[in-house]
Amino acid sequence: SQQGEEDPQALSIQEGENATMNCSYKTSINNLQWYRQNSGRGLVHLILIRSNEREKHSGRLRVTLDTSKKSSSLLITASRAADTASYFCATDARGGFKTIFGAGTRLFVKA
Amino acid sequence: EAGVAQSPRYKIIEKRQSVAFWCNPISGHATLYWYQQILGQGPKLLIQFQNNGVVDDSQLPKDRFSAERLKGVDSTLKIQPAKLEDSAVYLCASSILRGAVTGELFFGEGSRLTVL
Repeated sequence: SQQGEEDPQALSIQEGENATMNCSYKTSINNLQWYRQNSGRGLVHLILIRSNEREKHSGRLRVTLDTSKKSSSLLITASRAADTASYFCATDARGGFKTIFGAGTRLFVKA
Repeated sequence: EAGVAQSPRYKIIEKRQSVAFWCNPISGHATLYWYQQILGQGPKLLIQFQNNGVVDDSQLPKDRFSAERLKGVDSTLKIQPAKLEDSAVYLCASSILRGAVTGELFFGEGSRLTVL
């Protein structure tokens, strides 16, 4: 079963624009992570935000977490063609040890 | 630091045949995961090991899938007999478990299975 669900399923933007992806989840969590996957490759970790954190930055990435709404967003600023990939949120449910992934957002950045 | 190694990268078999995938996690990582990723979907957890014990295998189709982690290091995932719907990428990942909270997962490049 999928714990996290990303929105939108697909996103197409121009280079230089910002891209925002959202993730909703169902149960209380210890942390939430975002991963990136280039076509035909494994997943690469981008950022982890703990349940007691509200916002985190890493380079051009900004992640927010709203535990009251059970949602998170990933913002990529000043996007580049190389950012074209699928982006997944993953949650580590409180009381469990499993890391569960959502269905992903497919981002296409046009040069 | 060497990453997670997986083999083979690609495998094509006919239905009802068997296949095995191998994974070598990052040295020192106690937790090892096998995920199944069907085209266009997110990774689905099949089995999770903590050292050489199974933490969760609730979504592993145990009538045809099996997995083991010998000596708490390498792991093998086997499918026998394969079905058409098993066509997917099988991703292995490892992580350091700190207390009861998992952290960053490190993924291998995956093993792409095509069942004809």
